[in-house]
Amino acid sequence: TQLLEQSPQFLSIQEGENLTVYCNSSSVFSSLQWYRQEPGEGPVLLVTVVTGGEVKKLKRLTFQFGDARKDSSLHITAAQPGDTGLYLCAGFNAGNNRKLIWGLGTSLAVNP
Amino acid sequence: GAVVSQHPSRVICKSGTSVKIECRSLDFQATTMFWYRQFPKQSLMLMATSNEGSKATYEQGVEKDKFLINHASLTLSTLTVTSAHPEDSSFYICSASRGVGYEQYFGPGTRLTVT
Repeated sequence: TQLLEQSPQFLSIQEGENLTVYCNSSSVFSSLQWYRQEPGEGPVLLVTVVTGGEVKKLKRLTFQFGDARKDSSLHITAAQPGDTGLYLCAGFNAGNNRKLIWGLGTSLAVNP
Repeated sequence: GAVVSQHPSRVICKSGTSVKIECRSLDFQATTMFWYRQFPKQSLMLMATSNEGSKATYEQGVEKDKFLINHASLTLSTLTVTSAHPEDSSFYICSASRGVGYEQYFGPGTRLTVT
């Protein structure tokens, strides 16, 4: 059973388009993190959200944590080829912060 | 931010040999370190959690005798793949944390190829 459902799994878009990646769960998370990973490298933390309804912005990236802390989204505005990579959501299940629960990842390709 | 290094970044070994991968936290004390395995364009799969000075906790399906983990100091953890086989070829990533529930900082990964 996948505790964090991430979608879409693959996404190929043209430069300048907008996109949204979703992470959904039936469980409550005490915090949720978004990572970006390039081929051959480790994941790099983009943001951590901890409060229900929280919205954080990082340049053209907007992250939202659901009111019930069961879901999150990543929205990229005017995507650039440099945004290409694997985007991963991960979180600590409320009541069990021993290990991160990972989504399956979204492989994004932004074509010039 | 915190910096985590891994060595080597790439290693090719022959089937049947053992390979050791090091994970170091360079600017903070990592009470807890995690070892992950990742297949191409897929998410991270947790193999084990290690706490400094104690035995590692392995995830279900991960052979502890095959993947030996040592976390002897607050800045170093090692993963030894023993008697490696081609199916062990993968991208291995470590992360370090100040403790359970704290943020994890990831190393750059080690590409292992077993021929």
